[in-house]
Amino acid sequence: QLQMQESGPGLVKPSETLSLTCTVSGGSISRSSYYWGWIRQPPGKGLEWIGSIYYSGSTYYNPSLKSRVSISVDSSKNQFSLKLTSVTAADTAVYYCARNVYFDYWGQGTLVTVSS
Amino acid sequence: EIVLTQSPATLSLSPGERATLSCRASQSISTYLAWFQQKPGQAPRLLIYDASNRATGIPPRFSGSGSGTDFTLTISSLEPEDFAVYYCQQRNKWPLLTFGPGTKVDIK
Repeated sequence: QLQMQESGPGLVKPSETLSLTCTVSGGSISRSSYYWGWIRQPPGKGLEWIGSIYYSGSTYYNPSLKSRVSISVDSSKNQFSLKLTSVTAADTAVYYCARNVYFDYWGQGTLVTVSS
Repeated sequence: EIVLTQSPATLSLSPGERATLSCRASQSISTYLAWFQQKPGQAPRLLIYDASNRATGIPPRFSGSGSGTDFTLTISSLEPEDFAVYYCQQRNKWPLLTFGPGTKVDIK
């Protein structure tokens, strides 16, 4: 059974960079035909796709966040990571990692608060 | 960008009743639509993919239909555990993805 787990700081200061890692267990991140994605959900609001990465390193980002987002993969550790620069309070959200194409497996989510 | 609109925003029903949720796309997305269920404090769970295919382990009371711009998620007889928020999501412009704003199904 595939499992996914987000990790990273729960508090980030405004203008700094948010960094999260998703560790995948129970299956290889390098398996072809799957992408690996990040989705976020501000408190009390809906879901927003941030971006996705293929194991080869090809990346795809939400155009509304593209200038601030970077997703990378480390196949040796079976992990992929998210970096979001120049954060503001509007970036406060629960951040989820999930397996594409269908988002059939999700991590439990991690709350990241942007505050000084 | 493809915009998804869900209606109603809130659906108040009793256990045992039939729930019909709508998702409309701003342009044709063929059958590239999925439905998710989310309960408070939990990650979303995939229910339906490609408009009408139930995901692994999803009970048959959940069904999806539609193509083009209009889609429906039907819960044939609501169980107590079905009261939650439901989101639709399109992948027609893969790898660019969008979610709908959600429909909350609450207890009447």
